Amino acid sequence: EVQLVESGGGLVQPGGSLRLSCAASGFTFSSYEMNWVRQAPGKGLEWVSYISSSGSTIYYADSVKGRFTISRDNAKNSLYLQMNSLRAEDTAVYYCAREVASCYYFDYWGQGTLVTVSS
Amino acid sequence: NFMLTQPHSVSESPGKTVTISCTRSSGSIASNYVQWYQQRPGSAPTTVIYEDNQRPSGVPDRFSGSIDSSSNSASLTISGLKTEDEADYYCQSYDSSNQDVVFGGGTKLTVL
Repeated sequence: EVQLVESGGGLVQPGGSLRLSCAASGFTFSSYEMNWVRQAPGKGLEWVSYISSSGSTIYYADSVKGRFTISRDNAKNSLYLQMNSLRAEDTAVYYCAREVASCYYFDYWGQGTLVTVSS
Repeated sequence: NFMLTQPHSVSESPGKTVTISCTRSSGSIASNYVQWYQQRPGSAPTTVIYEDNQRPSGVPDRFSGSIDSSSNSASLTISGLKTEDEADYYCQSYDSSNQDVVFGGGTKLTVL
């Protein structure tokens, strides 16, 4: 069974940093592209970042470019999101999502982890 | 860059049919596949339609998707509505000009 389990969320002050993790199981993690998608409270879905299966290709939404860094460790079946210079508008539930082979959509999502940026 | 516009909310009675639209602001709707995700309160999204009109295994055939080039829009149609269909629905596509994944704003479906 495919499972994606996010962790690392919490309360952080504006300007602070946080590192999210997504532990994958039930599939060959190293064969899949992965993404982070977020959802602000009461709002819609917003794509955040993409990483290829090898980690060699990375994309970011303009809203996080220069502040967030996506990475993966295929040996540990894990995906990460390093978030720096956090702003109030980054407050959201962050989901990791598995991408269907280079098809630009997602077939499995984690349960999400809440990041709250507030003083 | 383009946007996907959905109605904020729709409502219909059990047993009826509802259609949710998703209009692409620029460029052809047929340029990139459209997906539809269902999100129930407190849960992660799940796919109900992928590649414009394909249903994942386990999704009932009451759910169908289509695209219409004349209106530059995609549609999700749910027939034989059940109370369990009450959820938020998001369309999603891909912007190949900047490698962005694009989501519509979401539509809240109420079945009453």
